[in-house]
Order: sequence, then C-alpha cells, then structure tokens
Amino acid sequence: KAGVTQTPRYLIKTRGQQVTLSCSPISGHRSVSWYQQTPGQGLQFLFEYFSETQRNKGNFPGRFSGRQFSNSRSEMNVSTLELGDSALYLCASSWRTTQETQYFGPGTRLLVL
Amino acid sequence: EDQVTQSPEALRLQEGESSSLNCSYTVSGLRGLFWYRQDPGKGPEFLFTLYSAGEEKEKERLKATLTKKESFLHITAPKPEDSATYLCAVQDEAQKLVFGQGTRLTINP
Repeated sequence: KAGVTQTPRYLIKTRGQQVTLSCSPISGHRSVSWYQQTPGQGLQFLFEYFSETQRNKGNFPGRFSGRQFSNSRSEMNVSTLELGDSALYLCASSWRTTQETQYFGPGTRLLVL
Repeated sequence: EDQVTQSPEALRLQEGESSSLNCSYTVSGLRGLFWYRQDPGKGPEFLFTLYSAGEEKEKERLKATLTKKESFLHITAPKPEDSATYLCAVQDEAQKLVFGQGTRLTINP
C-alpha cells in the first residue's frame, strides 16, 4: 500500500510570492492534516480536512489556507511568503478522523529567500 | 492550554545501553498519546498509540508505557540504527495533535 506522498519535495521561493503544496493521502484515508516543522517551534498543527471540509485549524495567520478535493487529495497554500515561513511542511492522513493514527508523508522543504 | 514536554532534549548512549525517554503532558481530555520516530529530512514514522493509563505497547527493542501524566519510551539494548529523534504527541478533545519538541537519540557503536 502506497504511503502519503507530497509534492514537490523541495521548493525555493522569494518573499512576497505564494506557494501551493500538494498531498495525496493513503488510499482510503479521508482525513488530511497539515503541520509546519521548524527547529525552533517543532511540529505545529496548521489545519485538518475531512470530506472536503476544514474541521480544525491551528494558530496560524490567514495567509495559510488549504483545501481538500473529492478524492481526498489536499493542497495547502501560503500567500505573501515571509522569511519565517521557511520550514518542513508535513502532511498526515488517517482513515476517518484524526482520532486514529496519523501517517505522515516525507514533507516539502520550503526555503524562502 | 495543552502542553507536551519531552526530556531529555538529547541523549547519547553506547550500543546495548538501555534507557528511557520521558514525555509529560497536560491536556484537556486525552484522546490518545502517540510516539513517532523521525529521521533527518524525513517525515515522522508511527511507532505506538496509547489510550489509557496503564497501557503498554512493545515493538522490537521499544516499549511505550502511559500514566495519567506522562509516558515513557523504553529502549532496550539499542543499536546504532535506533538513532533518530523520537516525538511524543497528545490528541486533545478537539482532536488536534500537540507535539513535544522531541528527544534526539544517538547510539554509538
């Protein structure tokens, strides 16, 4: 069974630009969560989608948004990039809800210059 | 506010030297406690889920235990390939995962 896949794996952007990251969950999983990981803050929850609806949101500014498609694939968008947005962005999927074990993808490494 | 604290931040052991990692937590309505392993440049890899105090789970050289306020990850006779960062996370009533900062474990041959 294929795991969670994320594209692209690496990305370099400049301040002010926007970026879209993609996540394909494990087949059959309907819940997708996004996390930001930095050396200083660790892993922080961004938001969770289930059946194309955002069910939970972390404490991030509105520049961070996401969506989920009918096939459970999810995208995350960050607008007006700032230097502090440089991080590893991780996607995790679970079958029905986040109450079940979440399985993580390899992440997208974003560098903002 | 939900909080997860892992200790120590870093731990260096000799191959075969057993030890324990600690995860203490405060959470409103614990739904589950999760242990993950993360290698550099990779996403976290699931190890264990614990749901209630007194529960224990084992996998190879790892054993996770849970009390009402903390969890321990015991590593017995570790090998160099066990070197990684071990992350603990709790799931709260809102079903969000709150992660600790992790313990960076190094096993020297």
